[in-house]
Amino acid sequence: AQSVSQHNHHVILSEAASLELGCNYSYGGTVNLFWYVQYPGQHLQLLLKYFSGDPLVKGIKGFEAEFIKSKFSFNLRKPSVQWSDTAEYFCAVNLYNFNKFYFGSGTKLNVKP
Amino acid sequence: DTGVSQDPRHKITKRGQNVTFRCDPISEHNRLYWYRQTLGQGPEFLTYFQNEAQLEKSRLLSDRFSAERPKGSFSTLEIQRTEQGDSAMYLCASSLAASGPDQPQHFGDGTRLSIL
Repeated sequence: AQSVSQHNHHVILSEAASLELGCNYSYGGTVNLFWYVQYPGQHLQLLLKYFSGDPLVKGIKGFEAEFIKSKFSFNLRKPSVQWSDTAEYFCAVNLYNFNKFYFGSGTKLNVKP
Repeated sequence: DTGVSQDPRHKITKRGQNVTFRCDPISEHNRLYWYRQTLGQGPEFLTYFQNEAQLEKSRLLSDRFSAERPKGSFSTLEIQRTEQGDSAMYLCASSLAASGPDQPQHFGDGTRLSIL
């Protein structure tokens, strides 16, 4: 069965620290990859997406993610986090030409001011 | 963009009762998804519609669950004879179908179901 793993369940950082959240998936075919963010009290919002092309994708609010096909990974990064980045982050995988999305269990990021 | 709307926001009911949730997608979106999210987990796919056709259902969706999208616009998710394990956040999402890779989804705020 397809699965998405987010190994960091809870991350605590100080402002200006660098962030990297891991995401690995298990599927050998073509995938579309997404990171969603859920700020406290809000609904899930798309942060960035990868469909094809340059494996380094840039999203909103200074986030970026790198698709490494050989490692089945799509890690999220941000060079310098802000207090406003405190949220829960979900990695999601869509199998190409299938309309099912698989989500990881999420990573809660707490940025201390 | 008025966003995806879900109603109600919260539902508390006794075990064994039936409940129905409604989702209004973004108006031009032809795809609609239902997910269930429990504490500490990401959303789990339940079912998906393209227009009024229900094209896929998860094994998670037992025969107590039924979803409809009669006119290809809003959708309802009904749970019959609710059980304790049905307590969760039920999320709706919509997207616009396009040729090529699937489009990202827009999520609603969810309906939180609590079974007493």
